[in-house]
Amino acid sequence: GAVVSQHPSWVICKSGTSVKIECRSLDFQATTMFWYRQFPKQSLMLMATSNEGSKATYEQGVEKDKFLINHASLTLSTLTVTSAHPEDSSFYICSARDSWGRTYEQYFGPGTRLTVT
Amino acid sequence: GEDVEQSLFLSVREGDSSVINCTYTDSSSTYLYWYKQEPGAGLQLLTYIFSNMDMKQDQRLTVLLNKKDKHLSLRIADTQTGDSAIYFCAERLPVASGGSYIPTFGRGTSLIVHP
Repeated sequence: GAVVSQHPSWVICKSGTSVKIECRSLDFQATTMFWYRQFPKQSLMLMATSNEGSKATYEQGVEKDKFLINHASLTLSTLTVTSAHPEDSSFYICSARDSWGRTYEQYFGPGTRLTVT
Repeated sequence: GEDVEQSLFLSVREGDSSVINCTYTDSSSTYLYWYKQEPGAGLQLLTYIFSNMDMKQDQRLTVLLNKKDKHLSLRIADTQTGDSAIYFCAERLPVASGGSYIPTFGRGTSLIVHP
């Protein structure tokens, strides 16, 4: 089956630093990748939709200058949290849609736990 | 209110059936999904149902869709301790956002299976 990986799986950083999270589709090409944020006991909040080779589309209320998304290839998207603060601590999950597969399927990565101290 | 609603918790005994319910608001939903999230992990697609279907069965899983009431349910037969997880209901609308079709998730139901 389609596999999406994320790296790192968890990261602790100091306030004011930047953190990059990678999302890779391992055995398929993904023209579209999504970035979600999940708070404890809450649902997934879509942050942005990332299309390969073009600018990401951010959801309302998500600061694009703070959450930089790059989708440079069909198998890799990155989310950089710039100047991280404790309120950015969260579980970040990416997902990818197979470019040639069934359009109803969206494959999720295992998530990255970010803790900002 | 939220677009997709689920109860937050369900506790069942091992071997019993579990029924997780979900209501959604948009009648134009094309696909409805059930995802499973185990602790510290991402979401795994369990099953989906197309909006023109009433029922779908896949081994221990049965999905029922009542379009009139906008109600979706997931029944897990012979529930096992390994089924303990958070189950998310999601709907996908026919309107694209940012060029892609985005599912809307409920808040998830924590299923606790005890011996």
